[in-house]
Amino acid sequence: NAGVTQTPKFRVLKTGQSMTLLCAQDMNHEYMYWYRQDPGMGLRLIHYSVGEGTTAKGEVPDGYNVSRLKKQNFLLGLESAAPSQTSVYFCASSPSWSNTEAFFGQGTRLTVV
Amino acid sequence: DAKTTQPNSMESNEEEPVHLPCNHSTISGTDYIHWYRQLPSQGPEYVIHGLTSNVNNRMASLAIAEDRKSSTLILHRATLRDAAVYYCILRIRDDKIIFGKGTRLHILP
Repeated sequence: NAGVTQTPKFRVLKTGQSMTLLCAQDMNHEYMYWYRQDPGMGLRLIHYSVGEGTTAKGEVPDGYNVSRLKKQNFLLGLESAAPSQTSVYFCASSPSWSNTEAFFGQGTRLTVV
Repeated sequence: DAKTTQPNSMESNEEEPVHLPCNHSTISGTDYIHWYRQLPSQGPEYVIHGLTSNVNNRMASLAIAEDRKSSTLILHRATLRDAAVYYCILRIRDDKIIFGKGTRLHILP
């Protein structure tokens, strides 16, 4: 099994450009999450989804949009990138029960110049 | 969201046991206590979880206080590869997973 796969692994954007980060999981998990991690900091939840076709805001949703059209994919979009969005982005997935583990991708390092 | 409190950093000598504490005084009866760790330049990885009873697996042990207001992650014999940030998280019913700042564990050779 591939687990949780994030695409791309690295990206440099100019201010104002848009892009979409893709998260794919092959474990049939209901829940998926997007986090950002700034240098020396913990992970902050951007958006999450509890099932296909549903999304919800996390701790730091401004400037991002998400979609979950298929159960296995969770897309994170930046419509107009800003330098403040320079960060490492992690995706995760888990089954729907709170006594199960979550699986994380290896991250996408995004730099906005 | 339920909160957890952890020390910012800890040090331990290689091949000695490590006890990482976590306080969660506002825990609810159905909240599970989870621990994850993040090795340098990697995504977080699951370590262990529990509800009321102490738990053991191949990576670590989890000791949960009788009142569930605190817990301790125990690494029985730390190695250099255990140097990481350890996060204590409460999995609540609506299942958002919220990370705190974690404890940065330094292992001294």
